[in-house]
Amino acid sequence: DAGVTQSPTHLIKTRGQQVTLRCSPKSGHDTVSWYQQALGQGPQFIFQYYEEEERQRGNFPDRFSGHQFPNYSSELNVNALLLGDSALYLCASSFVRGVTGELFFGEGSRLTVL
Amino acid sequence: RKEVEQDPGPFNVPEGATVAFNCTYSNSASQSFFWYRQDCRKEPKLLMSVYSSGNEDGRFTAQLNRASQYISLLIRDSKLSDSATYLCAVTTGFQKLVFGTGTRLLVSP
Repeated sequence: DAGVTQSPTHLIKTRGQQVTLRCSPKSGHDTVSWYQQALGQGPQFIFQYYEEEERQRGNFPDRFSGHQFPNYSSELNVNALLLGDSALYLCASSFVRGVTGELFFGEGSRLTVL
Repeated sequence: RKEVEQDPGPFNVPEGATVAFNCTYSNSASQSFFWYRQDCRKEPKLLMSVYSSGNEDGRFTAQLNRASQYISLLIRDSKLSDSATYLCAVTTGFQKLVFGTGTRLLVSP
């Protein structure tokens, strides 16, 4: 049973560029959430997708956008990258009727913005 | 004030020691509470849920005090493999977790 998979694992971009990160949820899960974890900080909630729609959103600017596909996989897009966007981006999947708070995280995509 | 606050540590303890972490949360509407473990440069993994009645899983005991809005984690008989960052998390919406900054634990021989 594959867990949550994310790609790419590492990437380097320059300021102003755009990036797309991808996530495949754990088998049987239908909800995907994205978190940003800066060095030395806890994960910060970006947004959550269910039934191909954004259900909840954290305090992140519109430069951060996402999408969920019919197979429940998801993408996170960040436009006009800033140095401060350098972080580990974590995808977490869950089942809408599952145990509250039981999220399964992928290994993350480590983004460096130069 | 941060929504979830933790002492970042690090907590340096010898093997076999008992160590306790606390976490406070500010949103009284928070519904569910958790401890996650995160190894260096890895993803967080659910360690245990936290209930008002307290719950225990082997060497780990978690407690919730809703009146004082804090959560605790007790680790008994620390092992070298317990070295990690322990993240406190609360839910404020459906499957939406708010994390603390994490408390780093270093267990030494």
